[in-house]
This record gives sequence, structure tokens and C-alpha cells, in this order.
Amino acid sequence: AQSVAQPEDQVNVAEGNPLTVKCTYSVSGNPYLFWYVQYPNRGLQFLLKYITGDNLVKGSYGFEAEFNKSQTSFHLKKPSALVSDSALYFCAVSVSGGYNKLIFGAGTRLAVHP
Amino acid sequence: DVKVTQSSRYLVKRTGEKVFLECVQDMDHENMFWYRQDPGLGLRLIYFSYDVKMKEKGDIPEGYSVSREKKERFSLILESASTNQTSMYLCASSLNLERADTQYFGPGTRLTVL
Repeated sequence: AQSVAQPEDQVNVAEGNPLTVKCTYSVSGNPYLFWYVQYPNRGLQFLLKYITGDNLVKGSYGFEAEFNKSQTSFHLKKPSALVSDSALYFCAVSVSGGYNKLIFGAGTRLAVHP
Repeated sequence: DVKVTQSSRYLVKRTGEKVFLECVQDMDHENMFWYRQDPGLGLRLIYFSYDVKMKEKGDIPEGYSVSREKKERFSLILESASTNQTSMYLCASSLNLERADTQYFGPGTRLTVL
């Protein structure tokens, strides 16, 4: 079965420190992976995606993600966290078989403390 | 920029009522999706549509139906609302059926069924 796991419900980081939000996946065929962010009472905003090519993907707001095929992971990273990065983050994988269907992880709440 | 709008941000209905949630996108996208978001469960796909008048069941279609009479508009219908349908509902659209396509989300409708 195709699935996405976000092993941490919450991540706490001090402002200015690097942050990592973890994601692992299980998918048939080549993985197409996405990260979205949700601010309070808002819809999801697209951050970045991995389709093919360079394992380090750069996205919006200074975020980047590292694709690791051997570990089936796609961790989201930022070198220096901001308080305004505090939000709910979702990892998703595009399902093989067509129709642009996504499977989402349960989400990780990031709290950046001043 | 892609814009996806949803008719209501907050909605309160009574058990047994028929509920309509409307979604409109302005980028001529082929695909439209309805998800519900619940804490600890991430986003789960209810229905999607890949063309006018075409629809496919997602992972949790029970108790819901959809309508897509025009390309830009996708409606989610709760025929007889129940308390277990209290949730955040998110609409999304994407350009076509490619797995690599990005889905763009609306702001969400928080539905409470009393």
C-alpha cells in the first residue's frame, strides 16, 4: 500500500536554529513528493516538490527538502527558523496509477520559540 | 497566481440538513478535489473530478456527493448532514492529470453539524 508517515506530531525549535521536519514514504514506482504548509485557519500552501533530478529541492520561504531514495525519506529543512514559520506541515506523495491523487501524512506541528 | 475560493469559511448546520459547499478556481484547471481534514488524520480525499460532469470516488466518499457542471466550479453535497461530518473541508485544483502536477488549495470551510 502507498503511504506517507510523519513520525513527529510536533517539533519545537528555537528561533535562529536549523529545523527539520521528517517524512518517510512508501510508493510503487518513482516517488513524486510534496510539502505543504498550513497557517492557522488557512488552506494549504505549496512549498516544494521532488519529481526527479537533484536530491536537494529548494522551495518557498527559504525551505528545502532532501530526497533520500535508500531511506525512502523526504525531510523538510530550513537553516535558520523564524517564529513566523510556526505552522502545520504536511508531506504528500503522488499515487501511481494516474489522476494526480495525493496521499497526505498526518501533519507535523512546528513551533518556533523566540 | 492560482486562486481557489470556497463559498464559506465557517458553516453551522443541523443534523439531517442538506449542505452545499462550493469551490471555484480561476485558472482553467482540469482537476478539482474535495478533502476533509481532521486532527491526526491529515487530509483524506472524498471525491475528485477530472473533467466537467466527470467524477471519481476518493478514499472516503460515503455520505457525500459532488457536482461539476462547469469547469471552474466543483460542489460538495452532504445529502443529510451528520455530526461525524463536522470537519474542515478543503477544495483543491490542478492543471491536468500528471502525477507531478501541483494541487492548489482554497482557504477551507470549517463545518460544524449540531
